[in-house]
Amino acid sequence: EIVLTQSPTTMAASPGEKVTLTCRASSSVSYMHWYQQRSGTSPKLWIYETSKLASGVPNRFSGSGSGTSYSLTINSMETEDAATYYCQQGSSYPPTFGAGTKLELK
Amino acid sequence: QVQLKETGPGLVQPTQTLSITCTVSGFSLTSYYMQWVRQTPGKGLEWMGFIRSGGSTEYNSEFKSRLSISRDTSKNQVFLKMNSLKTEDTGVYYCARRHSSYIDYWGQGVMVTVSS
Repeated sequence: EIVLTQSPTTMAASPGEKVTLTCRASSSVSYMHWYQQRSGTSPKLWIYETSKLASGVPNRFSGSGSGTSYSLTINSMETEDAATYYCQQGSSYPPTFGAGTKLELK
Repeated sequence: QVQLKETGPGLVQPTQTLSITCTVSGFSLTSYYMQWVRQTPGKGLEWMGFIRSGGSTEYNSEFKSRLSISRDTSKNQVFLKMNSLKTEDTGVYYCARRHSSYIDYWGQGVMVTVSS
């Protein structure tokens, strides 16, 4: 099973600040997907196939990476971006998720 | 529009069987894989298994022989059954639609507490 390690576990960012979340895989994967989960709601697809934004996702978000190292970047933090972000790989069975990065507003 | 809604018991006793129904609308179960993902305090998000568009199934070995996923295409419903429940199975259970190797739609989830 591929283990996904997300860092940091928790972070706080000020409005306008650039934010980078990282996801590292224990073995190489073809793509990484990202989900946003706000408190009390189900996860939402946010970025798929490493760098494609899901419908409705603001273009201040971007995704990049390859092999075992992937990242999600917010160009300029906004209030509504405070949430937990999970990475997920589907290259190898079973599909696995990272433990999440909780992003808070400073 | 695509909708998925889980219904389930809320509280289940240890060693008993969990049954959850996912009712979908806005698409056909014969065109998509449907999967179950749970979120527990101990292990976070875990993929449990899926039922393919053709009806065959695949399970996470973590759940060994405890888990069964089935469907009724005439009712647009997918079912999860898991037996021998333990307190560690407490969490939110989501049904989700798979697209390629990711989940494009999630249900609202159903909270399941395993307790006597």
